[in-house]
Amino acid sequence: AQSVTQPDIHITVSEGASLELRCNYSYGATPYLFWYVQSPGQGLQLLLKYFSGDTLVQGIKGFEAEFKRSQSSFNLRKPSVHWSDAAEYFCAVAHNAGNMLTFGGGTRLMVKP
Amino acid sequence: DTGVSQDPRHKITKRGQNVTFRCDPISEHNRLYWYRQTLGQGPEFLTYFQNEAQLEKSRLLSDRFSAERPKGSFSTLEIQRTEQGDSAMYLCASSFGLAQMGEQYFGPGTRLTVT
Repeated sequence: AQSVTQPDIHITVSEGASLELRCNYSYGATPYLFWYVQSPGQGLQLLLKYFSGDTLVQGIKGFEAEFKRSQSSFNLRKPSVHWSDAAEYFCAVAHNAGNMLTFGGGTRLMVKP
Repeated sequence: DTGVSQDPRHKITKRGQNVTFRCDPISEHNRLYWYRQTLGQGPEFLTYFQNEAQLEKSRLLSDRFSAERPKGSFSTLEIQRTEQGDSAMYLCASSFGLAQMGEQYFGPGTRLTVT
């Protein structure tokens, strides 16, 4: 069965600093990978996705993620964090792009001024 | 395109009562999903529909839970004889896809509190 691990439950970074959120997945075949963001009281918003091709994918709000098959990872990065990025971030995997998502436990990002 | 909508946004009910939630997907989307999210956790898959057919159900979906999508448009999720453990955020998502493709777009969720 597929699974997703986000090792960091909470991360605090200073505004303007770089960010990397970790995601490791377990799945036998080529996964479809996603990052979603959830702000308080809001639904999940898709940041970016990886289906195939270039392993470095660009998303909205200046985020990017890199798929590394050898490490079973799909880490999310941003070069300079803004206070509005404070939210909960979820990594997810699907065994095809139209099927159910398996989510990690999430990483709560706090941004210090 | 108004996005995925869910109604109600909040529901407080007493243990043992039945509740029903509604989800309206993005209009051209043929797939509709229900997830449950408890505090501090990621969403967990409950069930999904392709058009009006319910194609997959999680083992989390006990026999007290039933979901329908009668005309392949909106969907309802009913919980009978609610228990305190049912307290959670219930999320609906939709996507457009055939054999592949189609990322899921989520609604704002219905927060259920069972007292």
